[in-house]
Amino acid sequence: QSALTQPRSVSGSPGQSVTISCTGTSSDVGSYNYVSWYQQHPGKAPKLIIYDVSKRPSGVPDRFSGSKSGNTASLTISGLQAEDEADYYCCSYAGSYTLGVFGGGTKLTVL
Amino acid sequence: QVQLVESGGGVVQPGRSLRLSCAASGFTFSTYAMHWVRQAPGKGLEWVAVISYDRSNKYYADSVKGRFTISRDNSKNTLYLQMNSLRAEDTAVYYCARERRGPMIVVVIDYWGQGTLVTVSS
Repeated sequence: QSALTQPRSVSGSPGQSVTISCTGTSSDVGSYNYVSWYQQHPGKAPKLIIYDVSKRPSGVPDRFSGSKSGNTASLTISGLQAEDEADYYCCSYAGSYTLGVFGGGTKLTVL
Repeated sequence: QVQLVESGGGVVQPGRSLRLSCAASGFTFSTYAMHWVRQAPGKGLEWVAVISYDRSNKYYADSVKGRFTISRDNSKNTLYLQMNSLRAEDTAVYYCARERRGPMIVVVIDYWGQGTLVTVSS
């Protein structure tokens, strides 16, 4: 059960866009459209922001978008705001044996 | 509103046992699969275990298989995690979490508890 690969950190200025990648394998990201993304502020529980690769839960701004190509999923945050500064984690379903695997997390800094 | 409240964390010696509980409210608990996810201090999220809505299926991460047991009591709206043979590397905040798709398990989590800290140390 190897973790999905995410960059350790990304940064951007307010108003800019950033993209966070999440690379898995043909056994997880590449095989299923059950990629989800979570935002976690320090000391808080994670919050679902994207599910099923590109769908947003009610209440999540449309500045957050998701996509997938092959074994790599991506989260794009446009119009960066100060409150977007947080850790972001991807997760993929990996079949009926492994079930679920998370990425190592990406720290987003808003400059 | 959906609420998940974990309890049972604390400091425990290596090799000992601990049982976590998660009290659920605000939704029909008996129709949702439920997960445990943990986060070691300063580290990322790790999926630990899931149980189906009707207790018929249970799945575990390799790192806890054979040592941890997930269970639920639908009459009490409560999820459990029995942790045996604890190791230092099990030290983490343990989150109780709800599967978004209800009975279908695809590890998409829409609600999380606030977590309970388990520290394994002599």
